[in-house]
Amino acid sequence: EPEVTQTPSHQVTQMGQEVILRCVPISNHLYFYWYRQILGQKVEFLVSFYNNEISEKSEIFDDQFSVERPDGSNFTLKIRSTKLEDSAMYFCASSEAPRTGLYGYTFGSGTRLTVV
Amino acid sequence: GENVEQHPSTLSVQEGDSAVIKCTYSDSASNYFPWYKQELGKRPQLIIDIRSNVGEKKDQRIAVTLNKTAKHFSLHITETQPEDSAVYFCAASEGSASGGSYIPTFGRGTSLIVHP
Repeated sequence: EPEVTQTPSHQVTQMGQEVILRCVPISNHLYFYWYRQILGQKVEFLVSFYNNEISEKSEIFDDQFSVERPDGSNFTLKIRSTKLEDSAMYFCASSEAPRTGLYGYTFGSGTRLTVV
Repeated sequence: GENVEQHPSTLSVQEGDSAVIKCTYSDSASNYFPWYKQELGKRPQLIIDIRSNVGEKKDQRIAVTLNKTAKHFSLHITETQPEDSAVYFCAASEGSASGGSYIPTFGRGTSLIVHP
């Protein structure tokens, strides 16, 4: 079964440092997403990406966040200056099509980000 | 925007019993309702979904019901097994090509514990 792959599985960083979280979506998927989940809380939408641009973003996705698809396979989330409250599990997801609601997302296994 | 409420936050049952998790949503335009299962430390995985033109859907031991008038939907698990123990998230979105946010809004999750 195709998988969404995320690296690293766990990252520890100093407050104020930049981090890049990496994702390889399923190869024939066209829509990519980042979600985060603070420990014990619900999954929160950050951003969606299609055709090399952001298609939707939440209020959480402020100027310290950015996304990029640097090549044909990777999809990255960059946090420029990490804060303690950025500590969370970050999930990448991809889907074939969003608007018809025909398919659920396929989530990656997540990157646990710990800001110290 | 959409607001999804999920109850209960914790549900403890004996193996073999049934479990019911309930969600309400606020946006009457929502028409796609997926349910995700998240085992401890793992990714959310789609287990079943329902669309607004269907009132009930069943897949082996799990079923979902939808009441569009009341704006609530429920997950039913029969003959529960210890491996059903996980956090279950409901979500709602407007999966429509005509517009609107197709990004699912997640509930806060229900921790289901099945005792052997």
